[in-house]
Amino acid sequence: DAGVIQSPRHEVTEMGQEVTLRCKPISGHNSLFWYRQTMMRGLELLIYFNNNVPIDDSGMPEDRFSAKMPNASFSTLKIQPSEPRDSAVYFCASGPGLAGGPEQYFGPGTRLTVT
Amino acid sequence: AQSVTQLDSQVPVFEEAPVELRCNYSSSVSVYLFWYVQYPNQGLQLLLKYLSGSTLVESINGFEAEFNKSQTSFHLRKPSVHISDTAEYFCAVNWRGSNYKLTFGKGTLLTVNP
Repeated sequence: DAGVIQSPRHEVTEMGQEVTLRCKPISGHNSLFWYRQTMMRGLELLIYFNNNVPIDDSGMPEDRFSAKMPNASFSTLKIQPSEPRDSAVYFCASGPGLAGGPEQYFGPGTRLTVT
Repeated sequence: AQSVTQLDSQVPVFEEAPVELRCNYSSSVSVYLFWYVQYPNQGLQLLLKYLSGSTLVESINGFEAEFNKSQTSFHLRKPSVHISDTAEYFCAVNWRGSNYKLTFGKGTLLTVNP
């Protein structure tokens, strides 16, 4: 299995631009999670999906952030407009969910820099 | 609110010394427990997990952790560390019924010195 795939691995953009991060979960997994990691705040859960349905988006910092999961093999996290304080590493993780257990498997992350 | 506490933010040790990274969580109701490891510039990797059964669980690279229900702890141990074990270690807890959401500790940076 290829594991969780994220793209791009690095993104540098200017303040005000739209940023879209992409994630392909492990095939067969029912749960998908988006996290943000910074030195100041550590690892934060932004949103998670079960069977493509958003379950809890209470971690999404502002309306500038949105996430979608149009099918079982693809999810996006969009920031519009981006701000310098959004600079962080964004991780996507997937898990078996109800089908098999609560563990999560992380992708390599997208390092976002907003200038 | 449910929480996970990793008491030590940094643990420096010498190569071949034993190490214990501590993890406590806030509630004694049914839980699933995990340790993740993050090497520099990489994602988190699942190191080991406790779901049920034996309270002592082991990883393939010599780490072990013991679920202690009465003390609500899940400390990670290794009898002899290597330079390559240098990484950040995260404890995570899933409280059953919370829709498989994990609550992470703030991490412990293990630095193994020669």
